[in-house]
Amino acid sequence: EDQVTQSPEALRLQEGESSSLNCSYTVSGLRGLFWYRQDPGKGPEFLFTLYSAGEEKEKERLKATLTKKESFLHITAPKPEDSATYLCAVQAEGNKLVFGAGTILRVKS
Amino acid sequence: DAGVTQSPTHLIKTRGQQVTLRCSPKSGHDTVSWYQQALGQGPQFIFQYYEEEERQRGNFPDRFSGHQFPNYSSELNVNALLLGDSALYLCASARTGAHGYTFGSGTRLTVV
Repeated sequence: EDQVTQSPEALRLQEGESSSLNCSYTVSGLRGLFWYRQDPGKGPEFLFTLYSAGEEKEKERLKATLTKKESFLHITAPKPEDSATYLCAVQAEGNKLVFGAGTILRVKS
Repeated sequence: DAGVTQSPTHLIKTRGQQVTLRCSPKSGHDTVSWYQQALGQGPQFIFQYYEEEERQRGNFPDRFSGHQFPNYSSELNVNALLLGDSALYLCASARTGAHGYTFGSGTRLTVV
């Protein structure tokens, strides 16, 4: 069964304190790994898609990497506006996305 | 360019009632998927529609049904509502053959 596990469940950082979020997955036939940001009461906002091991993508203070078993979302020098829930999902057989439970990030100034 | 539009934004229903949620996909998108997100959890896949047919379904009972119209918009229907159906219902659209889904802001359903 396709499964996604995210850790930690919650993370508190001081502004400027860099860290990483983890997404471990098991899937038969990975068609893509997605990172989304979700603000309270809103829908997920697309950040990155990764397709193969070794691939990396960057956007502002965020960098996503992918191995055969996990993905990391690195946050460099975070700001309070980076506070959100970060969701990881894999696209498995068919087109459905299988999501992890998310990591709640709080950045304090 | 409007993204994915969902209505209503909030809804309160009584246990046993029926509810219909609506979704208009992003311009140029022809595939619509529905997800249920319980509080503190990641979204769970309900089903996907393409060319007005249900193409894939998650582990949800038959009380959950849907429809896609010729203009690609979609409806999610839930019958015999249970307290456990309280959640944020998300619609996501995509263009066939392209990777990546755009999500709407969701409909917050509360069953009392």
